[in-house]
Amino acid sequence: QKEVEQDPGPLSVPEGAIVSLNCTYSNSAFQYFMWYRQYSRKGPELLMYTYSSGNKEDGRFTAQVDKSSKYISLFIRDSQPSDSATYLCAMSAIDDKIIFGKGTRLHILP
Amino acid sequence: ETGVTQSPTHLIKTRGQQVTLRCSSQSGHNTVSWYQQALGQGPQFIFQYYREEENGRGNFPPRFSGLQFPNYSSELNVNALELDDSALYLCASSLEGREKLFFGSGTQLSVL
Repeated sequence: QKEVEQDPGPLSVPEGAIVSLNCTYSNSAFQYFMWYRQYSRKGPELLMYTYSSGNKEDGRFTAQVDKSSKYISLFIRDSQPSDSATYLCAMSAIDDKIIFGKGTRLHILP
Repeated sequence: ETGVTQSPTHLIKTRGQQVTLRCSSQSGHNTVSWYQQALGQGPQFIFQYYREEENGRGNFPPRFSGLQFPNYSSELNVNALELDDSALYLCASSLEGREKLFFGSGTQLSVL
């Protein structure tokens, strides 16, 4: 079993829809949870950063962490064509390297 | 405030050659991490440098080596290139810790 599992997609949704992206993980030592967005031929850009469990909201983006289920989610409200990108979940234990998922390719259809 | 910059943007090498990739960290950041991203995969951790010392290494062979300079810029060196080394090489800088990484646009390396 891989440490971090993420469905690669692609996921296609119409403009304005709510998008749900998620990852599962196996390492119970993970404490830091992140979501990165990566456009084609660019480096990943940090979107959301969460420590331990709970929810965090930033504009149209909401990150959720459920440590009991080892499951994290990213919700995008009112999705826009400019949200079309690859979304990478990432996580780490304290003072340890960051592990990335494979990324989910998202297409927002105008 | 300047972001993370990497050079070159693209590189083509042949099997067996050596390559050096360069990275300038974001202003104020003293930690640099290098990642390899194969097509369709997430970034894989190669190693991290903190104040010029290696501070953690992923599952990569010794032919992958690095340096960090007093101004916190960094180099990634890969010797005896193999076809499977073809990938996007990403540099990320951070302040002290490892959690919030700020990435450059990467160097696309093709090994023929």
